[in-house]
Amino acid sequence: DTAVSQTPKYLVTQMGNDKSIKCEQNLGHDTMYWYKQDSKKFLKIMFSYNNKELIINETVPNRFSPKSPDKAHLNLHINSLELGDSAVYFCASSQGRMYGFRTVGEQYFGPGTRLTVT
Amino acid sequence: AQKVTQAQTEISVVEKEDVTLDCVYETRDTTYYLFWYKQPPSGELVFLIRRNSFDEQNEISGRYSWNFQKSTSSFNFTITASQVVDSAVYFCALTLMDSSYKLIFGSGTRLLVRP
Repeated sequence: DTAVSQTPKYLVTQMGNDKSIKCEQNLGHDTMYWYKQDSKKFLKIMFSYNNKELIINETVPNRFSPKSPDKAHLNLHINSLELGDSAVYFCASSQGRMYGFRTVGEQYFGPGTRLTVT
Repeated sequence: AQKVTQAQTEISVVEKEDVTLDCVYETRDTTYYLFWYKQPPSGELVFLIRRNSFDEQNEISGRYSWNFQKSTSSFNFTITASQVVDSAVYFCALTLMDSSYKLIFGSGTRLLVRP
């Protein structure tokens, strides 16, 4: 019954490795997001997708590549991991359009993935 | 540029006290939405409220209330009769009616409610 789920919950890896985080939502939303929360708890948007189309790439290094195979899934692949990538990554979803018009639904967040790069 | 400021980094109260968390936002847009989210120690982000820029009515939900004042660009959050379970980091956020859909978060206020 989980609305927005992410796997894995914890990810510990070494510098230079490539890793992926998966996200799925069962809310029927058309818009999905990735946010990064740093060690000081600051939350910042990374990407948003609306109907599988990339809407925002918020000056994220191109080592980060999101992929949305369908409206219910948004995965995040990270190449050549660096120490500074250590953070908690949150997936979220919301309803972005209704009857063809832009709406602003509240965003529902997944439980987060704590990535530690050593 | 859009910005959300939560000037209170940390607040500590004793259980049953009332506490207000401040949020000040900046935007030149006339249409926008404001949100509050709660992040308990377990780490998840919990949606609390959404308010659009045309609705300045205050809202009350149980022990929670919100005061939206466009004149001062503030959207403050009050917890009445605080409880230990209210201990969390609270985030205020702003989104615009552009195509980005993104939430712009404040830096959060950590609330500690002591028994």
